[in-house]
Amino acid sequence: DAGVIQSPRHEVTEMGQEVTLRCKPISGHNSLFWYRQTMMRGLELLIYFNNNVPIDDSGMPEDRFSAKMPNASFSTLKIQPSEPRDSAVYFCASSFPNRGPRQETQYFGPGTRLLVL
Amino acid sequence: SQQGEEDPQALSIQEGENATMNCSYKTSINNLQWYRQNSGRGLVHLILIRSNEREKHSGRLRVTLDTSKKSSSLLITASRAADTASYFCATAAVGAGSYQLTFGKGTKLSVIP
Repeated sequence: DAGVIQSPRHEVTEMGQEVTLRCKPISGHNSLFWYRQTMMRGLELLIYFNNNVPIDDSGMPEDRFSAKMPNASFSTLKIQPSEPRDSAVYFCASSFPNRGPRQETQYFGPGTRLLVL
Repeated sequence: SQQGEEDPQALSIQEGENATMNCSYKTSINNLQWYRQNSGRGLVHLILIRSNEREKHSGRLRVTLDTSKKSSSLLITASRAADTASYFCATAAVGAGSYQLTFGKGTKLSVIP
């Protein structure tokens, strides 16, 4: 099993540019989470999808951030325009459908390290 | 705001020693989970303990949960250099939809060979 796949692994961009991060969850998982990790704030949940539908986007910092999940095997997180304070590691995670204890465990991708200059 | 707070923030031990990390949280929970993060990698699930459980074991890992004190501990016995990583507790609060997790800031463990 390939695990959660994220791309790119590293992204360096200039302030004002659009950034798109991509995630492919584990096949068969129907919950998908986007997190941001910084030294100051730790790991923060940005948005949560269930069956491709955004359920909770209260963690999205501002309108510059948007996320989509057009199908069960793909999600994007977009920042437009990007700012230096967006520099962080962005993780995607997925979990099993709602049946049994495995649903509670989240499987993380390797992350995208974003640097906005 | 962070639900879980790990203690200590950093821990350095010799290989073979035991490592204990603590986590405190604020609200009632359905379960508490521990994850490990190696440098530059994603988080990996280690163990889950439910609110009606007090202790759980998995290999060299032992987790305890005290809901009256809203705290948990993770014990790694006979540590190895490969255990060097950051360890995070994550809580699924009662009423939280679909098992959303809130993570602490982690304990950075260094195991010296």
